[in-house]
Amino acid sequence: DIQMTQSPSSLCASVGDRVTITCRTSQVITNYVAWFQQKPGKAPKSLIYAASNLQSGVPSRFSGSGSGRDFNFTISSLQPEDFATYYCQQYNSYPFTFGPGTKVDVK
Amino acid sequence: QVQLEQSGAEVKKPGASVKVSCKASGYTFTSYYLHWVRQAPGQGLEWMGIISPFSGSTWYTQKFRNRVTMTGDTSTSTVFMEMSGLRSEDTAVYYCARGGGISTSAIDNWGQGTLVTVSS
Repeated sequence: DIQMTQSPSSLCASVGDRVTITCRTSQVITNYVAWFQQKPGKAPKSLIYAASNLQSGVPSRFSGSGSGRDFNFTISSLQPEDFATYYCQQYNSYPFTFGPGTKVDVK
Repeated sequence: QVQLEQSGAEVKKPGASVKVSCKASGYTFTSYYLHWVRQAPGQGLEWMGIISPFSGSTWYTQKFRNRVTMTGDTSTSTVFMEMSGLRSEDTAVYYCARGGGISTSAIDNWGQGTLVTVSS
C-alpha cells in the first residue's frame, strides 16, 4: 500500500496569509493526487485533482503542484471560509489512501 | 447537477449488519465509478473501496474484504454498501463519492454521509 504523510498536521494562520501544505507518498507515483477540504460536520469537498487541476467552481486562490513523491497544496490568500481540515489522497493504485489531514486554524 | 443522496442514520448492535444506500442523480449512473469512504468520530478519512456501476466489479481494502459488500442497482441508480459483523470501532460516518469513468480517477462529488452507530 502507498502511505501518505502530510505536514504540518495543523497550523494557525490569519486571513490574507499564504498557506502551504505538503503531502509525501511512500513511493513514486504519477500525478494522481487529489486534495479535499472538510469543515466540521460536513462532507468533504473536492478541490484539486491530478495534483494541480482545480475542480469546477473552486476559487483560483487554491492551487496544487508536485510530482514523484512530493505534492504541495497552497492557498494564496487565506479567506475566512477556508478555515478547515485539508486531506490529500493518492488514486494511483489500490487502496486509494488518504493523508492524515492538516487542520488550518485561526491565529 | 450531480447529487448523491444517502440513506439515514442507523443504530446497530455489535454483530449485526448494516446496509447504506447512495442514490445518484444528475448524470449517467453507469459511466462513473463510486467510492465508499468512512470517518470515525474525530478521525481522518478512510478509503474503503470502489464499485463500477456499469460492470458491478469491486475492489475492497484488505481491512474490509471479508465484511463489506458493495453492489449497484442500475434500475434505481443506487449503490449499496453492506457491512456485517459490526463492532464498536465501525461507528463512523460513511460517505459515497463519485469518481470518474476509469477506476484511477479522482473523486469529484460526495454524498452527505450516513452516521452508523454501533452500540449495545
